[in-house]
Amino acid sequence: GAGVSQTPSNKVTEKGKYVELRCDPISGHTALYWYRQSLGQGPEFLIYFQGTGAADDSGLPNDRFFAVRPEGSVSTLKIQRTERGDSAVYLCASQGAGEAFFGQGTRLTVV
Amino acid sequence: KQEVTQIPAALSVPEGENLVLNCSFTDSAIYNLQWFRQDPGKGLTSLLLIQSSQREQTSGRLNASLDKSSGRSTLYIAASQPGDSATYLCAVENRDDKIIFGKGTRLHILP
Repeated sequence: GAGVSQTPSNKVTEKGKYVELRCDPISGHTALYWYRQSLGQGPEFLIYFQGTGAADDSGLPNDRFFAVRPEGSVSTLKIQRTERGDSAVYLCASQGAGEAFFGQGTRLTVV
Repeated sequence: KQEVTQIPAALSVPEGENLVLNCSFTDSAIYNLQWFRQDPGKGLTSLLLIQSSQREQTSGRLNASLDKSSGRSTLYIAASQPGDSATYLCAVENRDDKIIFGKGTRLHILP
C-alpha cells in the first residue's frame, strides 16, 4: 500500500491478557516509530527502530511492553499482562527523507 | 530533555479569518520540525516539514516558519474554513532521531 497500515484498528481485551499490534510501514522506509496517545494529549514516544534494531526504546513504560522488527519492515508492538491504564491509541510512523508518515492507529481498550 | 509546547491549547475563530498557531521547543539542536493535523479518532496527517536549515515552508493556505535559535515555530492559516477544524500538532526531530510532540492546539472554525 501507499501509506502506513496498522492492524487491528480496534482491539478490546481483558485485563491480564497479551496483545500484539502490527504496523506495516511505507516500503523502503528504514526508520519506524511507535507512539501512544491518550485522549487530549499529544503522541508519547515509545520506541524507534532504524532497520531491524531498536535504536531507542527509552519510552517503553515498563517491561510488559516490547517491540520487534525482525526483517526491517513490519513491526509488532507486544504488551503482556495488559492493564486498564494501557488503554490508548497506539500510533506507528515510518520516516523517509526526514518526513514522518503515520498510520491510523490502533485503539486499545483494556476492560 | 526536549520539551515541546503549543499555545494556545484551544482556539475558536470565525470563518474567513487568518490565524497563527504557536510552537516552542527547549533544545534548538534539531534536524527538522513538522506540523501535523489530526481529526477526531484519526491518525496524523503531515502538513509541512521544515528542515533545520530552512526558515519557512508553504503549502496552499498554510505557511510554517522556523526560528531555530529561539526555539519557535508558527503555523499560519489564511482565510480559515470550517474544514480546517482539527487538532494541530507540532513535532521536532532531535539529533538522536527521537521525534517529540507537543500536546496540540484544538482549532474550531465557526461557520
